[in-house]
Amino acid sequence: DTAVSQTPKYLVTQMGNDKSIKCEQNLGHDTMYWYKQDSKKFLKIMFSYNNKELIINETVPNRFSPKSPDKAHLNLHINSLELGDSAVYFCASSQSSGGYFEQYFGPGTRLTVT
Amino acid sequence: EDQVTQSPEALRLQEGESSSLNCSYTVSGLRGLFWYRQDPGKGPEFLFTLYSAGEEKEKERLKATLTKKESFLHITAPKPEDSATYLCAVRMNYGGSQGNLIFGKGTKLSV
Repeated sequence: DTAVSQTPKYLVTQMGNDKSIKCEQNLGHDTMYWYKQDSKKFLKIMFSYNNKELIINETVPNRFSPKSPDKAHLNLHINSLELGDSAVYFCASSQSSGGYFEQYFGPGTRLTVT
Repeated sequence: EDQVTQSPEALRLQEGESSSLNCSYTVSGLRGLFWYRQDPGKGPEFLFTLYSAGEEKEKERLKATLTKKESFLHITAPKPEDSATYLCAVRMNYGGSQGNLIFGKGTKLSV
């Protein structure tokens, strides 16, 4: 069973469109994350979320919004897509209790905006 | 500003040629240093967590060590299947309970 899964694997869309990426984890973790990996392979946190708080990286445009229907899912919605949004987006999860914070990553979604 | 720097950017080794990757950090309130492996087209795969200076962790041909300023990932007698990008990340303790990770830019290892 895949621990952290994302759909779709690839997403090609035009500027100005709105799109969503879905993420699900079956590890029973209480915290989920979204990361962006740019063309230079630099991995940067966008959001972290558990049932108590949402932490947003201040550099993330408000066109991006995470939505969590339940503890096992954290979807990423992107409005008015721009060329600079092209990147690979990774979802991750971890367990915040117990003092261990290893994050487990999904396979990534390659977003291409044309 | 909190920062994680990895060196070298790329490393090419012959099979069996041992070496080390470096991760130096300047963060306040460190709450763990993490090593990940990333293969092309895949998500980062968790390898190790180190919490305090002097700590060491081993897995097969890999050994991670931690000092107050840096961490090393030692690769002993590497094999071609060890080829990947190795990412270092540090967890800070600021405000929120999650303690987000700050990643370095990685070292691309070719064996």
